[in-house]
Amino acid sequence: NAGVTQTPKFQVLKTGQSMTLQCAQDMNHEYMSWYRQDPGMGLRLIHYSVGAGITDQGEVPNGYNVSRSTTEDFPLRLLSAAPSQTSVYFCASSYVRPRESPLHFGNGTRLTVT
Amino acid sequence: QQPVQSPQAVILREGEDAVINCSSSKALYSVHWYRQKHGEAPVFLMILLKGGEQKGHEKISASFNEKKQQSSLYLTASQLSYSGTYFCGTETLNTGNQFYFGTGTSLTVIP
Repeated sequence: NAGVTQTPKFQVLKTGQSMTLQCAQDMNHEYMSWYRQDPGMGLRLIHYSVGAGITDQGEVPNGYNVSRSTTEDFPLRLLSAAPSQTSVYFCASSYVRPRESPLHFGNGTRLTVT
Repeated sequence: QQPVQSPQAVILREGEDAVINCSSSKALYSVHWYRQKHGEAPVFLMILLKGGEQKGHEKISASFNEKKQQSSLYLTASQLSYSGTYFCGTETLNTGNQFYFGTGTSLTVIP
């Protein structure tokens, strides 16, 4: 089992460019989520999904879109990159909702927007 | 929605004990604890469900007081490998499926 796989590991964008961060899990997890991590601010929830076809916003959703067409994949789209989106992005999944089940994290994507 | 952790940072000598606290202003379903090493992803340590249980993992244990919406992580006889940043994570009763992390506690164990 690969667990949670994120690509790319590193990315540099210019302001205004768009891109998609990929996240895939092979554990048949229902719940998937995206977090961003900035120094001193912990992990902040961007978007999450409780199953294929269902997504919802977290606390910092502006500037990001998600979709969940399959159980395995949960891509995060940056619509028009801004320097404020420079961060480390983590995808995490759990078997059922995290109130009952631990989160498994991918290795992260380090994004720099210039 | 974000739980509050204390202290923000702690430095220990090998063999010393530490307590990290996590509190929420909202009623909680459960509390998770994770450890993150520098440049790596967070790794799950334990989950505590409603019921005031205490759990253990090697020399690391935790408690959950659901009435006070508080959890504490206990690290005993610390080892160098315990260094890292510890995060609690919570889902409150009124934020359905949204899982929030605290801002973290940096723990450094020195020889």
